[in-house]
Amino acid sequence: SQQGEEDPQALSIQEGENATMNCSYKTSINNLQWYRQNSGRGLVHLILIRSNEREKHSGRLRVTLDTSKKSSSLLITASRAADTASYFCATDAAGSNYKLTFGKGTLLTVNP
Amino acid sequence: SQTIHQWPATLVQPVGSPLSLECTVEGTSNPNLYWYRQAAGRGLQLLFYSVGIGQISSEVPQNLSASRPQDRQFILSSKKLLLSDSGFYLCAWSSGGGRETQYFGPGTRLLVL
Repeated sequence: SQQGEEDPQALSIQEGENATMNCSYKTSINNLQWYRQNSGRGLVHLILIRSNEREKHSGRLRVTLDTSKKSSSLLITASRAADTASYFCATDAAGSNYKLTFGKGTLLTVNP
Repeated sequence: SQTIHQWPATLVQPVGSPLSLECTVEGTSNPNLYWYRQAAGRGLQLLFYSVGIGQISSEVPQNLSASRPQDRQFILSSKKLLLSDSGFYLCAWSSGGGRETQYFGPGTRLLVL
């Protein structure tokens, strides 16, 4: 079964606006990661947040984690057309050993 | 720096034909290695992972198999392809016990006709 589920499935915004994507998961985790995938390419790691962290920043990215609600959000501020991609959350479930479980992703389109 | 290679980039194969996809990693030793499949518009499905030479764990029963003949080489194979094997195949590596970042290759797009 899918551990992480992103919401919304697709998001379309204008350049300069902020984009927020959410991820919900089912079991206890060690960490949660966000990845980006440009069409037809491999995934690129964006940010990792550990289960004992609540918020993390990297450039224009802000990730929050609420383990009580088993959810995370990814905020991209001041979006650019180059941010157009699919964004996936991935969870390292407690006891899973070596494996990440990916959600189905959010397709973000940033219109110039 | 570490790099990960996959080939071929694209492949069109008839049903019933064999398959061999290769993945190699440079610049690191004893990585954890992973094969994923991504159907169109879907998330990633973990197919196999390996924590060392000759050590393969299968996640999904299917007609695919994986091998790790060398430390930094991971091969995905099939003796007879099915239509349902079409998809985007991604190889990835990680270190640090596998709980940290995974680094992905560029992928192989497979179309089975």
